[in-house]
Order: sequence, then C-alpha cells, then structure tokens
Amino acid sequence: AQSVTQLDSQVPVFEEAPVELRCNYSSSVSVYLFWYVQYPNQGLQLLLKYLSGSTLVKGINGFEAEFNKSQTSFHLRKPSVHISDTAEYFCAVSSALDYKLSFGAGTTVTVRA
Amino acid sequence: DGGITQSPKYLFRKEGQNVTLSCEQNLNHDAMYWYRQDPGQGLRLIYYSQIVNDFQKGDIAEGYSVSREKKESFPLTVTSAQKNPTAFYLCASSLGETQYFGPGTRLLVL
Repeated sequence: AQSVTQLDSQVPVFEEAPVELRCNYSSSVSVYLFWYVQYPNQGLQLLLKYLSGSTLVKGINGFEAEFNKSQTSFHLRKPSVHISDTAEYFCAVSSALDYKLSFGAGTTVTVRA
Repeated sequence: DGGITQSPKYLFRKEGQNVTLSCEQNLNHDAMYWYRQDPGQGLRLIYYSQIVNDFQKGDIAEGYSVSREKKESFPLTVTSAQKNPTAFYLCASSLGETQYFGPGTRLLVL
C-alpha cells in the first residue's frame, strides 16, 4: 500500500514570490506521482504527473515538480505566483500495479498582494 | 464537449433517507471512482469500477452502494446506514494511470 504526506497544511505567499509545496510518499513498489489543484467548490484539476523518465516534470500554469527516488519526495514549485494560484493542492501516488490513488491531506496556498 | 458531469451540485438528505449521486462520463474511460472529501483529510476512496458490471470496495465503503450497468455511468447511493454523510463527493474516471475528476456534489443533512 502507498501513503502520502504533505508536510505543510497552509502556505501563505506574496504575489510574484516563489513557492514550494512539499510531498513525501512511501511505497514498496514502483509508483506514479501526481499533483492536483482544487479551487473552492470545484473538482480536482491535474497539474502534472510523473510516470517515468526525466525526474523534472513541467505542468500547467508554470508549475514544475521534481521526483527524488532516494528521498521519496515529489515537491511542487512555481518561481512566481499569482493571486489566481490561491487554491488547495493535493499530492497523490498510485501503484504501477492497480492505479488506485492515495492522496495527501492537501496544502492550502494563499497568495497575497 | 468531453468530460465528467456530476449532479446535482448540492443535495440535501433527510435522516433515514437514501440518496443517489449521479456521475456520467463521455471520455470512453474504462475505470470510474468515487471519493469522499472532508476538510483537512484529503480524498478517500469509496468504491471503484474497472469494467462494466464489476466494482470493488475502497477504503470507506460502509454505508454506500454503487452500480455500473453502463460504461458511461457510475451512480453512488448514500444509504441511511451512513451516519455521517455530510461531505463533498467527487467522481473520477481513467483510461490507464491518470484520473480525471468531475465538479463534485456537496451533500448536506437536514
């Protein structure tokens, strides 16, 4: 079974500043890793995913994440945030065997002017 | 316009009542999923179906039931046995490893 820990429940950040959201996972088998974003009262939107290959993954809206197998981490970064990036962000992991997703508890990002 | 639709957007349940949440997809995805979201707890898997006429329990299936009679549809029934049903319910579908989500249904208890 897999599990995910998002290390920060809330991240306040000023507009145009960089942001990093931390995610660690545990699994005994090969995994796929995902970041989703959720705006208030909406569903989840896929930001990016790591399946294999290059460990640096670029996603939508200027986000990127780096897979680090030795540290079992998949941290999400954006070099310059906008007010519109205010949302909740979820890290998720699935096994390469059955594709069932396990989610972290989420990180709420609040961008201030 | 392809995607996943959930209805209704808001649903009110009276005590002792069963209610059904709708999830439809026109993406031709084989697998469909139901999740429950509570504040600060992320998403938890209720049921999932990898093929028509087959489904499996997730981590929190008690008090819920599903059916998968058509590829496009995966309705979720919240039964009276679910004592704490107030939550945001999300449906997803996938063709392979990536899941795509609907807009959600918020269930409230009167």
